[in-house]
This record gives sequence, C-alpha cells and structure tokens, in this order.
Amino acid sequence: NAGVTQTPKFQVLKTGQSMTLQCAQDMNHNSMYWYRQDPGMGLRLIYYSASEGTTDKGEVPNGYNVSRLNKREFSLRLESAAPSQTSVYFCASSGTGTAVGSIYFGEGSWLTVV
Amino acid sequence: EDQVTQSPEALRLQEGESSSLNCSYTVSGLRGLFWYRQDPGKGPEFLFTLYSAGEEKEKERLKATLTKKESFLHITAPKPEDSATYLCAVQASGTYKYIFGTGTRLKVLA
Repeated sequence: NAGVTQTPKFQVLKTGQSMTLQCAQDMNHNSMYWYRQDPGMGLRLIYYSASEGTTDKGEVPNGYNVSRLNKREFSLRLESAAPSQTSVYFCASSGTGTAVGSIYFGEGSWLTVV
Repeated sequence: EDQVTQSPEALRLQEGESSSLNCSYTVSGLRGLFWYRQDPGKGPEFLFTLYSAGEEKEKERLKATLTKKESFLHITAPKPEDSATYLCAVQASGTYKYIFGTGTRLKVLA
C-alpha cells in the first residue's frame, strides 16, 4: 500500500541547476497536485492536474513546470533553480475531481538550493 | 478570495488538558472541509472530512465540528503522542483546488 510515492527524498542543488521531482500514485486517482511548504506560509499549490492530459497553474507556479506523464505519474521540474525554491515539496492525489473528497499526500521532498 | 485561517499558531497542553483548535474559512461555496495531522518530517495525514454545517466526526480523542464560518478540532484528554501540527483545508464548489491554513502546532507535555 504505497499510496503516493515521491523521489528523491532529499536533494541539494546549485543555483541555476535543473532537476525533476518524481511522483507516482497507486490509488487510481484522477487528480494530482504539487505543493510547497515553507515556515509560516503553509502549503501553497504550485500546479495541479485535474485529470490525465491536463495541467493548470496554482498559486505559485513561477519557476516550475509539470508533466502529467500518465494517470499514475506527475512530475515537477525546476529548470533553473533559485535559492527561493528551497522548500519542502509535497505531491498529492485525489480520486474525486470536483466532487467532495480528501487528497492524500506523499512523504515530501526536501530541496535545498545553494 | 478563498481563505483559511487557523488559530492559535501554537498550543502547549498538559497531558489530559482538553482544548480546541480553530479553523475559520471564507470560500465561495464550501464543498468540503478537511483536517490533517502532520508529524515532523512527514507528509500530512488525513483525519476528517466535513461536508455541511452541523456535522461532527470523531476519531479517538479528536472530534471535528463545522459551522458556516468555522470548524473546531476538539482534543479531549490529549496524550504526548497527539503532539503534531494540525492542518485545516477547504475545497470550494466546482474546483479541484484545496486551500490550506498555516496550521496549529500542538505540544502535549507529559
């Protein structure tokens, strides 16, 4: 029962480097999300994918791109990392679309940009 | 603008000392309100979903209630293992988005 799996768990990048955070869910959920969590700011939505083949911007999309590879996988890419992107990143999924239902989170990816 | 505000930011309780956490929300048509528990270094763990005013849900020492403007998470006779950050989120009508509050950090002392 993996649920939502994120990789890597920890990563240190130099300013300007690129990287991709991977996320996969095994709950057959339609919707997937990427959030970042910073002290005092709470969870902020970066991008989401309501269903396979669609992606939309959230509250803080600048500096990020996403790919919904298939129903299971949703990746987050930092093209040119900046120190302001140092954060904890959470992937989440939900099975119910615009119907009422909870989202379920992965364990997080800790990213430091130096 | 949809918004969620949680209070207090932090709360210290003695073991057995009951209290409540508050989640105030402003949303254009509430589809659901959600409570999560987050332990250090972990992802948020789902606790409850509330759909309409007057609804209540319970799980062990936790009880969540909902009105038209706010939700409370009541903690009865807490234990040290209840120490965590508790997050509240709302989902608005016709949207895929979930809006989170900044959480309440709860510390229960033995």
